[in-house]
Amino acid sequence: DIQMTQSPSTLSASVGDRVTITCRASQDINTWLAWYQQKPGRAPKLLISKASSLESGVPSRFSGSGSQTDFTLTISSLQPDDFATYYCQQYSTYSYSFGQGTKLEIK
Amino acid sequence: QITLKESGPTLVKPTQTLTLTCTFSGFSLSTDGVGVGWIRQPPGKALEWLAHIFWDDDKRYSPSLQSRLTVTKDTSKNQVVLTMTNMDPVDTATYFCAHTLYLLPDNWGQGTLVTVSS
Repeated sequence: DIQMTQSPSTLSASVGDRVTITCRASQDINTWLAWYQQKPGRAPKLLISKASSLESGVPSRFSGSGSQTDFTLTISSLQPDDFATYYCQQYSTYSYSFGQGTKLEIK
Repeated sequence: QITLKESGPTLVKPTQTLTLTCTFSGFSLSTDGVGVGWIRQPPGKALEWLAHIFWDDDKRYSPSLQSRLTVTKDTSKNQVVLTMTNMDPVDTATYFCAHTLYLLPDNWGQGTLVTVSS
């Protein structure tokens, strides 16, 4: 199984800050990496697929990069609506797996 | 517009079998590349993939839960059914189904909370 490790687990930031979340895969997944945003009581929302492809309707302040084993999600200027939990997910194999999540909190 | 909705019991007893139904619209599960995945999330914890069924009736299961899971589809009813046997309190979670295109879950149901307790 491919293990996905996110860091940090919790991130405290302020509106307007630039933040970066990292995700590491235990083996090469090419760019088969997605990022999701989840708010309490809601289903995850797909933000980015194929490591860097922004989904339709997702604000351009979100961006993704990386390949093989190391990936990042960057929010260029935090907005109040961005405080949520973020998950990475690899879908390079049928047994796809998620990171443990990064909770983005208001400082 | 793709929509999915999970339905089933909210409370099951230990050792019982859980049966959940995912009813969807806006896509066909006979279209090349399309699938429906099941993912769960224990309260306050991370997401865990459970099972996947594809347009060609290929089925895949989490290795750690494979012996307890079965997934089936009824294309004419636009439904996918997940069964999980021998339920335990650690299986208490919100269970989601999701539309996938070439393995990527891009549209999710709202989820249904299942509590396992005697």
